[in-house]
Amino acid sequence: EADIYQTPRYLVIGTGKKITLECSQTMGHDKMYWYQQDPGMELHLIHYSYGVNSTEKGDLSSESTVSRIRTEHFPLTLESARPSHTSQYLCASSESGGTSITQYFGPGTRLTVL
Amino acid sequence: AQSVTQLDSQVPVFEEAPVELRCNYSSSVSVYLFWYVQYPNQGLQLLLKYLSGSTLVKSINGFEAEFNKSQTSFHLRKPSVHISDTAEYFCAVSPSGGYQKVTFGTGTKLQVIP
Repeated sequence: EADIYQTPRYLVIGTGKKITLECSQTMGHDKMYWYQQDPGMELHLIHYSYGVNSTEKGDLSSESTVSRIRTEHFPLTLESARPSHTSQYLCASSESGGTSITQYFGPGTRLTVL
Repeated sequence: AQSVTQLDSQVPVFEEAPVELRCNYSSSVSVYLFWYVQYPNQGLQLLLKYLSGSTLVKSINGFEAEFNKSQTSFHLRKPSVHISDTAEYFCAVSPSGGYQKVTFGTGTKLQVIP
């Protein structure tokens, strides 16, 4: 079973608030990812990291930012939340290496911005 | 660039009946293929994957998928479904060799009817 955790699981906040979604993994994986998941849509990669101090934007433009100061921790921050940010956010990690691309997912954070 | 098509957004099936969830992909290079499963209120879990070798791959809970290069398909099958198989299933593709971005399909909700 994968050891990757996300908090909070559910969050309802008002417009304009700053929020941080937490993601931690205990598997020592170098690679970590943030996806946005909406019903009936494919998962959209919004950020990824190959290791400490490495972060890149994904395919889907996002107003969020991420940091990777420690291998196990990959938080996502929204400076000013808006209703358009309402979605499910999934964090994932994977090992380095050519064929080690199985991704292990956390349970997700369901964000609602009012 | 690659893409994944899951034509069926929902598949209802009676318990103990067989099921096939369809997945077609598009890529200009050789690929790795995956099926992930998402149970309610949980993150995605890897169900099975094709990297190389035998084109028929199997999971521990009775699912199997066959890589068909000529038809660019990776359909998921199970000969007899259980209530516990009710979940959403995502097909995914990645170019082979080294780290490459994984592209997910839009998912198929399998509803097993008692």
